[in-house]
Amino acid sequence: AQSVAQPEDQVNVAEGNPLTVKCTYSVSGNPYLFWYVQYPNRGLQFLLKYITGDNLVKGSYGFEAEFNKSQTSFHLKKPSALVSDSALYFCAVRDRGGGADGLTFGKGTHLIIQP
Amino acid sequence: NAGVTQTPKFQVLKTGQSMTLQCAQDMNHEYMSWYRQDPGMGLRLIHYSVGAGITDQGEVPNGYNVSRSTTEDFPLRLLSAAPSQTSVYFCASTLHQGSKGEKLFFGSGTQLSVL
Repeated sequence: AQSVAQPEDQVNVAEGNPLTVKCTYSVSGNPYLFWYVQYPNRGLQFLLKYITGDNLVKGSYGFEAEFNKSQTSFHLKKPSALVSDSALYFCAVRDRGGGADGLTFGKGTHLIIQP
Repeated sequence: NAGVTQTPKFQVLKTGQSMTLQCAQDMNHEYMSWYRQDPGMGLRLIHYSVGAGITDQGEVPNGYNVSRSTTEDFPLRLLSAAPSQTSVYFCASTLHQGSKGEKLFFGSGTQLSVL
């Protein structure tokens, strides 16, 4: 079984400050990890993924995420937040050995960037 | 490329009515899936398909049917709508990139209300 936890329903950050959106996961094997973003009244868009290799993954719009195997975490980060980053962020996981099963998504974290 | 096209964008049903949510992709992806998004519950997988003629159940399949007669189309059928099926529905197709992992492309969503 695979699962994802996003412990914060909402994260508030002042514009220009660094931001972190937390994600922890559980899989029986090795994970594929993803972040997706949903802007207001729009569909979901891919941000970044961790497959293998470097633990620090860089994605779209200046976002990055750090894979930490010992802590089973994949936190999303950005050095300097923009008001336009305000959106709903989903972390997702798939067990590499899980066959055709789909992604398991977290419950989502609302990121609010205050001007 | 249109990507993933979902119709309708909005739908109101009465309890017991049936309907079909349409989903089409023009990227020649083999893997397609349906998710529902509910507040505080994230995205949950309803059904998925690994190719034409092959479908399987996800996390929350009850009350829904799917078929995959072509690579392009993956309709989701509500057999007898219930208020518990009020949700936002997303269709997705997956680009598999071998050792580089995978990436989901989402449709714009269908907001369904069952009265």
